[in-house]
Amino acid sequence: SQKIEQNSEALNIQEGKTATLTCNYTNYSPAYLQWYRQDPGRGPVFLLLIRENEKEKRKERLKVTFDTTLKQSLFHITASQPADSATYLCALLMDTGRRALTFGSGTRLQVQP
Amino acid sequence: GAVVSQHPSWVICKSGTSVKIECRSLDFQATTMFWYRQFPKQSLMLMATSNEGSKATYEQGVEKDKFLINHASLTLSTLTVTSAHPEDSSFYICSAPLSRGRNTEAFFGQGTRLTVV
Repeated sequence: SQKIEQNSEALNIQEGKTATLTCNYTNYSPAYLQWYRQDPGRGPVFLLLIRENEKEKRKERLKVTFDTTLKQSLFHITASQPADSATYLCALLMDTGRRALTFGSGTRLQVQP
Repeated sequence: GAVVSQHPSWVICKSGTSVKIECRSLDFQATTMFWYRQFPKQSLMLMATSNEGSKATYEQGVEKDKFLINHASLTLSTLTVTSAHPEDSSFYICSAPLSRGRNTEAFFGQGTRLTVV
């Protein structure tokens, strides 16, 4: 079956360090992969999309890599700030007909001041 | 950017009553909207696909008679939880996809925290 796996353990880092989150998927070849941020009690907010033919994508302090051979995406936040503390979800469009996203379980990031 | 508004943001209801949740796309039309449910510390689980002008498509294990979905216009989908029970208490989130070229982004509502007592 198709699965998306993210590290369920919270990631705690010091302010100013780079946070790296991992998303692995199995039994699927997505055209693109997306990352979302979710704050407690709120809906997810879109951050970045990376296509299968793109190795890396950047947006301000965010960087996403996509390795279709390893079936893995890495999400980096450089110069992290306490305001970056949130849960980060990766998502794949597994049903291109309906355009419904399938989400990983998310990794909670805590940036300590 | 595109905005999806969900209302109410929280609701407490008595067991056996029904609750309606609204999801509106404010500045774009959405022929399709999605309803997700999220339990604490778990991921979003797709419940159903709401289709404007036609019946909703439900995921396996989701009771269509319990979770009534109506998509009467291109900007509004509603989810009604009928005869709610405590186990229906959860965080319900709607989303609407917006295609930009070859890519599709999902815009989410703020979510509705349902507590059934």
